[in-house]
Amino acid sequence: NAGVTQTPKFQVLKTGQSMTLQCAQDMNHNSMYWYRQDPGMGLRLIYYSASEGTTDKGEVPNGYNVSRLNKREFSLRLESAAPSQTSVYFCASSVVGVGYGYTFGSGTRLTVV
Amino acid sequence: KQEVTQIPAALSVPEGENLVLNCSFTDSAIYNLQWFRQDPGKGLTSLLLIQSSQREQTSGRLNASLDKSSGRSTLYIAASQPGDSATYLCAVRASGTYKYIFGTGTRLKVLA
Repeated sequence: NAGVTQTPKFQVLKTGQSMTLQCAQDMNHNSMYWYRQDPGMGLRLIYYSASEGTTDKGEVPNGYNVSRLNKREFSLRLESAAPSQTSVYFCASSVVGVGYGYTFGSGTRLTVV
Repeated sequence: KQEVTQIPAALSVPEGENLVLNCSFTDSAIYNLQWFRQDPGKGLTSLLLIQSSQREQTSGRLNASLDKSSGRSTLYIAASQPGDSATYLCAVRASGTYKYIFGTGTRLKVLA
């Protein structure tokens, strides 16, 4: 089925470990986004990529890096995980243009101990 | 800075009731507004997308309205069912940006 695929679905890390969250979409969308969702805080934008070859910081970029590998794939890297990064991470994509909304992946639940 | 608020945070209703979920935003310069549904432990499913030039959108038992000048949107659910139980999120895309700003959601429980 067409859509946004995130891997892994669950992950437990120890403080200081690194990992990369993967996101891929097969809808030929130009723009891709990484959000985190925390109880009582809603979804907050970490980084986004308006088009292949560009990335920009969102509201909460500290502690994260991203790579727009190609038009399909947008990865999020935690270089040195901290307990404050325990969250559910969502990737989304959209067509460029004001008439279009987001399509979301199913999320990665990350726990840092 | 655009802020999005959803009230109430939680709502319980008996099956069959018609109900309204509210979303307000502080900056009326938006491209569009999107309503999502999120089931526990799951991702977000898009329900309705309203462009800034539109007043409402309908899909089945769902109707979303937009009053840009007052910074308000409502999601109307007709004849609610237990399967409608979920968290409903609204998100606005501010003019000149690619990004959506999300509200914190309304957690709906429809009682059988």
